Amino acid sequence: GQSLEQPSEVTAVEGAIVQINCTYQTSGFYGLSWYQQHDGGAPTFLSYNALDGLEETGRFSSFLSRSDSYGYLLLQELQMKDSASYFCAVRPPNQGGKLIFGQGTELSVKP
Amino acid sequence: EPEVTQTPSHQVTQMGQEVILRCVPISNHLYFYWYRQILGQKVEFLVSFYNNEISEKSEIFDDQFSVERPDGSNFTLKIRSTKLEDSAMYFCASSAWDIGSYNEQFFGPGTRLTVL
Repeated sequence: GQSLEQPSEVTAVEGAIVQINCTYQTSGFYGLSWYQQHDGGAPTFLSYNALDGLEETGRFSSFLSRSDSYGYLLLQELQMKDSASYFCAVRPPNQGGKLIFGQGTELSVKP
Repeated sequence: EPEVTQTPSHQVTQMGQEVILRCVPISNHLYFYWYRQILGQKVEFLVSFYNNEISEKSEIFDDQFSVERPDGSNFTLKIRSTKLEDSAMYFCASSAWDIGSYNEQFFGPGTRLTVL
């Protein structure tokens, strides 16, 4: 089976950098995705790592290390609008494209 | 920008009643999904659908659940006899492909189902 663990809450101040970690136990997956969700709304895709290493998309970066069963989302130059829940997710092969989500990390950005 | 839409936004029903949740996926997408999220919990996969048949379903997706693509645009989730524990936000999602590793899924705004 698959399980993903994330911290439940993270707090940071505007302009800071924050890292949200995701550790997983899985028998295999295509890649690690990150989704953002504001106030229970639609999860929106942020980033995807198929291979080990760092992927950068503007203020957001994501990292994957398969050997360490670990990934993280890095948010730079935090803004108030970044306050949201962040979910890591994996997609197991040959299972109809389903995503398995972590429990989510609620990020609070303070002024 | 194309988006996934869902109706209704809220649905209140009595236990034992049937509900149908509706979704219009992005028009050129071929893969469709339903997920649910109980308040304060993680998003859970229910079912995936491709080429007019179920590709994968979770343990949650028992005989009370069914999905259908009745025409070229709609994708529905039916719960035949709702239970209190079906109360959740239900998200529809779609993706353009499922080839290789990359599969960005686009989620709709959700239908909040409350079973009384």
